[in-house]
Amino acid sequence: GAVVSQHPSWVICKSGTSVKIECRSLDFQATTMFWYRQFPKQSLMLMATSNEGSKATYEQGVEKDKFLINHASLTLSTLTVTSAHPEDSSFYICSARPGNDYGYTFGSGTRLTVV
Amino acid sequence: DAKTTQPPSMDCAEGRAANLPCNHSTISGNEYVYWYRQIHSQGPQYIIHGLKNNETNEMASLIITEDRKSSTLILPHATLRDTAVYYCIVTQAGANNLFFGTGTRLTVIP
Repeated sequence: GAVVSQHPSWVICKSGTSVKIECRSLDFQATTMFWYRQFPKQSLMLMATSNEGSKATYEQGVEKDKFLINHASLTLSTLTVTSAHPEDSSFYICSARPGNDYGYTFGSGTRLTVV
Repeated sequence: DAKTTQPPSMDCAEGRAANLPCNHSTISGNEYVYWYRQIHSQGPQYIIHGLKNNETNEMASLIITEDRKSSTLILPHATLRDTAVYYCIVTQAGANNLFFGTGTRLTVIP
């Protein structure tokens, strides 16, 4: 089946530094990928939609200059958390869809801890 | 996207069938019912989806009422590894993203 690989699975960084998270579709091409954030004991919240070759679309309340998204190829999207702060600590998850007849496939998530 | 209502939590004995209900009374004609689950600290896992007819795959069965206002996900023989939060989502086939509600936390008890 379709696989979305996310890396790293966890990262600890210092306040003020930037962290990059990668999301790859391993056996299909994805013109669109999605980035979610999940705080403890809460549900997933869509942050942004990553579009190959064009700008990402951000959900209301998500700062585009803080959460930089790059979707340079049909199999790779990256999310960079810039100038991270402790309140950015969360579980970040990406997803993509192999085709209209398939469900969305999710990465395994990245747990970011900012200290 | 139409909203869904699920019980916040359920228990199920290991080996028994787990029946997880979902209400989606405002679903529109072109919206599908999707089920995902999320095991602790992992990304959501696709289980099954359907439009009108009941569906079955190797993981579960999906029963959708005739009026499509509710559905039930059935795990025929629950195991401890099925302990997870189960999300029922209704969305159009071409929709670009999924709206996750609060889901049902299923605990399978030995």
